[in-house]
Order: sequence, then C-alpha cells, then structure tokens
Amino acid sequence: DTAVSQTPKYLVTQMGNDKSIKCEQNLGHDTMYWYKQDSKKFLKIMFSYNNKELIINETVPNRFSPKSPDKAHLNLHINSLELGDSAVYFCASSRRLPGTANTGELFFGEGSRLTVL
Amino acid sequence: GQQVMQIPQYQHVQEGEDFTTYCNSSTTLSNIQWYKQRPGGHPVFLIQLVKSGEVKKQKRLTFQFGEAKKNSSLHITATQTTDVGTYFCAGRGSGGYNKLIFGAGTRLAVHP
Repeated sequence: DTAVSQTPKYLVTQMGNDKSIKCEQNLGHDTMYWYKQDSKKFLKIMFSYNNKELIINETVPNRFSPKSPDKAHLNLHINSLELGDSAVYFCASSRRLPGTANTGELFFGEGSRLTVL
Repeated sequence: GQQVMQIPQYQHVQEGEDFTTYCNSSTTLSNIQWYKQRPGGHPVFLIQLVKSGEVKKQKRLTFQFGEAKKNSSLHITATQTTDVGTYFCAGRGSGGYNKLIFGAGTRLAVHP
C-alpha cells in the first residue's frame, strides 16, 4: 500500500486552465504539505496543514488554493494556470512529535508533474 | 528569515571515490534532516540529527551535525552507481513551530 499517494502523476494543460491535484496519506499523520520542485530541483514549501488547519502559507499566488477535507487528504487547486507553474508538485505528510509543536520526518508522495503549454 | 545553503550544487565522481555535501544555516537549528532523491523519484528520508556535534553512520554514509548546530555534512565513502541522485539537507529552526527549510540539494553523478 502506498503511504502517500497523489493523482494525477502527470498533467499537461493549456495556460489559463484550472486544475487540481489530490493527495491522500494512510499513515495516520496529522500534518500534510505541498511542495513545489522546479526544474533546478529546488524544493519550496507552499502550504502545510495540521489536522485540517492551515499552519503554513508561503508567498504563493492566490491562484493556488489548498483544501483539506480531513487530516488524511490535502488537495491543491490551481486557477488560471501560467507557464511558470510548470513543475513537480510533491505532497508530503509527517507526524507531530509528542510534547512539541514540531513534526518528524517527511514522507513524500511520488509527485505530480505539471506541464503548462 | 532562516536560510539553508548547500554546496556543491553538482558533483561528478568516479565510482569508488568519496563524496561530501555541506549545509550551512543562517540561524541555529533545532535539528537537521537529510533526504535522497533518485532521478525521476521523490525525496526519501535518510536521517535526522538533533544533538550538537552528533555523528551518525549508515553503512557508507556518515552524517555530522556541527557543534554550533548551524552546519551539517553528509559523506559517502567509496561511492557506487546506486548512490546517484540529489541529496538534500533540511533544517528546522529553534523555538515554537518551525518549518523545515530545504537546501538547494547536491546532485551526485557517479561514473563507472
């Protein structure tokens, strides 16, 4: 069973379209994330949710809207896609460390490669 | 804000040679994690270092956390072609909730 699964794995679309990427984790973790990895492999955090509550919201255009219906799911919706949105988007999850506000290691999904034409 | 710098960006080695990647943080870290991403794959957790001066080993991989908890290194002895990939460090700041900040990664190529 895949621990963190994202769909779709590949997405090719035209500029201006709206698309969504879904993520589910079966690890029982409280915290989920979206990371963007550009062509230079740089991993940049976009959002983090803990128990459905948004706790990290980096300087991401408001065309990107995350949604967490429950703590096992974190979806990412992107409006009005632009060329610069082409990247690999990784979902990840982690558990909260007892007695701290921090979390442990990240478990990443396999990534969703978005290509905007 | 907190920054994590990682060098080198790329490293090409002959199989059997050693390899080291270095991370430096602008602020003191509570812990540092290391991840490996194979070509076309996703980042996979390798290890976490928490204590000042900590050294951990995993077979041919040696991880160090600096005394000041602001730098870290990953050393691979006698590289193999299976070591190919990008190695990321990720540092977490001290106090309260702090997100993991990833370094830019070091892409390792191993020539047989």
